[in-house]
Amino acid sequence: NAGVTQTPKFQVLKTGQSMTLQCAQDMNHEYMSWYRQDPGMGLRLIHYSVGAGITDQGEVPNGYNVSRSTTEDFPLRLLSAAPSQTSVYFCASVGVPTEAFFGQGTRLTVV
Amino acid sequence: ILNVEQSPQSLHVQEGDSTNFTCSFPSSNFYALHWYRWETAKSPEALFVMTLNGDEKKKGRISATLNTKEGYSYLYIKGSQPEDSATYLCAFLNQGGKLIFGQGTELSVKP
Repeated sequence: NAGVTQTPKFQVLKTGQSMTLQCAQDMNHEYMSWYRQDPGMGLRLIHYSVGAGITDQGEVPNGYNVSRSTTEDFPLRLLSAAPSQTSVYFCASVGVPTEAFFGQGTRLTVV
Repeated sequence: ILNVEQSPQSLHVQEGDSTNFTCSFPSSNFYALHWYRWETAKSPEALFVMTLNGDEKKKGRISATLNTKEGYSYLYIKGSQPEDSATYLCAFLNQGGKLIFGQGTELSVKP
């Protein structure tokens, strides 16, 4: 039972490049979310999903796309990376009514 | 916009002191309130999930209370130890599946 698998762990991008952060869970949770962590700002919600085929915007969605074609997978896409997207990203899977389980985090640097 | 506010932002105490933190959240559309412990370079670790008004939860020296009518939760640590040093996050889960985090309280316990 792997829980939440998030890849990659580290990534450096040039401004304008695109990439996809992968997130997969094997707990059959309906709710999944993506967050970014910046100093002094806790975890800010980017996008979330309450089931396959259903996604919605969080607090800071601009510059990011998501899709949820299966219950297990919830990838986050950066279409054209900007230095402001330098951050640590966490994927979470929420086992309602239990707690959220987090991926290991992705440290992304955009130069 | 869902506002989840935590106070204080940081707290410095001596070993053996008892501490408490506050989390305020919207009182409408409530589903659950989570507390997490978060250490640098790690993923957040769940402490409590509370769903009912008046809930009180306890794990060792740490306890939490919930008031959904007025929209606040308290986290208490009795007899703080250096290993309690971490950032404590609360998160509000609404009925639409959106899990919003506060900015966290950073606790430092000196021996």
